[in-house]
Amino acid sequence: SAVISQKPSRDICQRGTSLTIQCQVDSQVTMMFWYRQQPGQSLTLIATANQGSEATYESGFVIDKFPISRPNLTFSTLTVSNMSPEDSSIYLCSVMREGYGYTFGSGTRLTVV
Amino acid sequence: AQSVAQPEDQVNVAEGNPLTVKCTYSVSGNPYLFWYVQYPNRGLQFLLKYITGDNLVKGSYGFEAEFNKSQTSFHLKKPSALVSDSALYFCALKPGFQKLVFGTGTRLLVSP
Repeated sequence: SAVISQKPSRDICQRGTSLTIQCQVDSQVTMMFWYRQQPGQSLTLIATANQGSEATYESGFVIDKFPISRPNLTFSTLTVSNMSPEDSSIYLCSVMREGYGYTFGSGTRLTVV
Repeated sequence: AQSVAQPEDQVNVAEGNPLTVKCTYSVSGNPYLFWYVQYPNRGLQFLLKYITGDNLVKGSYGFEAEFNKSQTSFHLKKPSALVSDSALYFCALKPGFQKLVFGTGTRLLVSP
């Protein structure tokens, strides 16, 4: 399966600021996904990051709040913009490779104060 | 609607005893089902999946899951639990194109 490097692993940020999370994969993948896991909750899909086109956002998530880049087939970033305490969550990237299923990064634990 | 349910927030079991973590699903068409485990401060690790074929699926770390179409269930099982199995377990369903839907998670606590 793919190996994913996700950075940073954790951060504490001031409200009103932005944080960019990076996801690097050791092989080319078509599909990359970004999830949010709020405290004590399950995972919720934020968006699908498409190489060469705009990300596809799920209901309740918008590009202005969570801009995503996908410059190539091995890398993606998620930015959490204008943060508030409600954005405190674990953010995970995931990739899907045919025949290998889904692999997840180790997550970014974000605390907004 | 496509959904997956994990009816138990927490499962407690003594080390050496068999364990079961329950999962039921609702989907139109054939289900693709997955189990993931999350250890503290870690990402999700893949345990096993059911796509088609045998109803009993064997996965990592001695875990297995039984797909039951009539009961729309995909329960995770292990014959003999270890303390190190204590973690958060997620059942997931792939109802559409390339998108996973996760259950609410079940915390497994294995006591020595």
